[in-house]
Amino acid sequence: AQTVTQSQPEMSVQEAETVTLSCTYDTSESDYYLFWYKQPPSRQMILVIRQEAYKQQNATENRFSVNFQKAAKSFSLKISDSQLGDAAMYFCAYRRIQGGSEKLVFGKGTKLTVNP
Amino acid sequence: DTGVSQNPRHKITKRGQNVTFRCDPISEHNRLYWYRQTLGQGPEFLTYFQNEAQLEKSRLLSDRFSAERPKGSFSTLEIQRTEQGDSAMYLCASSPLQGLSSGNTIYFGEGSWLTVV
Repeated sequence: AQTVTQSQPEMSVQEAETVTLSCTYDTSESDYYLFWYKQPPSRQMILVIRQEAYKQQNATENRFSVNFQKAAKSFSLKISDSQLGDAAMYFCAYRRIQGGSEKLVFGKGTKLTVNP
Repeated sequence: DTGVSQNPRHKITKRGQNVTFRCDPISEHNRLYWYRQTLGQGPEFLTYFQNEAQLEKSRLLSDRFSAERPKGSFSTLEIQRTEQGDSAMYLCASSPLQGLSSGNTIYFGEGSWLTVV
């Protein structure tokens, strides 16, 4: 079974600084998707960024970028120029492509605090 | 607001009672998902529908849990004979027809909090 591990329960960053959230996963599949989701307090979870495993190029979405290391099964999220609105729980998630499953496997999350 | 809508947002029930949650997906989204999230954990997959067909179920979905999507629009998640371990947030999400298989985003609702006392 696939597992996703987020080893940092909590992280903090100063406004305008850069922070990196870690994620590792375990799978025997070669093709899959990886995601980072953001869950603000009492609000719905939203997709931050997505990476297809077959793509070597790291995904980037404005201030958010990933460092995808397939061999190491590592998928970290870098947030640049952190803003107060970035404060939230961040979840790393995995989805296999083969087998037609729509199931997302989530890590336990990292709580990000942004200090003014 | 055209996002995923869930009702009720909060429910407190006594152990042994039945509860039902409703999810209204984004209009024209064919796929609908249910997840459960407990404190300090990430969401765990329960089940998903494509239109009215329930295509995948997790082993977490015990026989006390039943989900339906009778007309391929809204969905209900019923928990019978609730137990304290059922206390969690129940998240609904929806996506267009091709779902995650084509890299489509799934959109989550704000969740329904269940407390069993």
